[in-house]
Amino acid sequence: TQLLEQSPQFLSIQEGENLTVYCNSSSVFSSLQWYRQEPGEGPVLLVTVVTGGEVKKLKRLTFQFGDARKDSSLHITAAQPGDTGLYLCALRMKTSYDKVIFGPGTSLSVIP
Amino acid sequence: GAVVSQHPSRVICKSGTSVKIECRSLDFQATTMFWYRQFPKQSLMLMATSNEGSKATYEQGVEKDKFLINHASLTLSTLTVTSAHPEDSSFYICSARRDSGSSHFGPGTRLLVL
Repeated sequence: TQLLEQSPQFLSIQEGENLTVYCNSSSVFSSLQWYRQEPGEGPVLLVTVVTGGEVKKLKRLTFQFGDARKDSSLHITAAQPGDTGLYLCALRMKTSYDKVIFGPGTSLSVIP
Repeated sequence: GAVVSQHPSRVICKSGTSVKIECRSLDFQATTMFWYRQFPKQSLMLMATSNEGSKATYEQGVEKDKFLINHASLTLSTLTVTSAHPEDSSFYICSARRDSGSSHFGPGTRLLVL
């Protein structure tokens, strides 16, 4: 069973549109991370959310951690082709050498 | 710039041969490194935790005799895929853990077994 679930699995939108991807779990976590991975490259950390209800912004990306710390969302405003990639939520397991466990990912394609 | 490197970036080998992939932390020492495997259109799956000077810890379902890990120094971990078969073709990614607990990921190694 997966610790994390993500939806949607695939998303194809036109440039300029807004979108939201979701990360959910049945467990409560102390923190959650979001990564972006481009084809043929390693994942890059975008943000870590720690506090329930926390909202963090990174340019056109807005990350939210649910009040109960069991879910998170990533909202992209006015998507651009450069936003294309695989978006992964992840957990850093502090009791296991800080290993990072990834969700299944959302593959985003932004069409010019 | 990159803080974790992998070598080679791509490798093609014949079925039955062994392939070694290197992961290096470039500007910090990493007591712990991690190895992941990623199949097309899927997420990264953790294979094993590599600790300097000790045996690696493998995730459930990962064959330790097939995927040999050696973490001989604080800046280098190697993954050897032994007797590779076409089903081992995948994107292999390492990460190196800083003392703070944060990890940096390498650029990945694309393995194709013919």
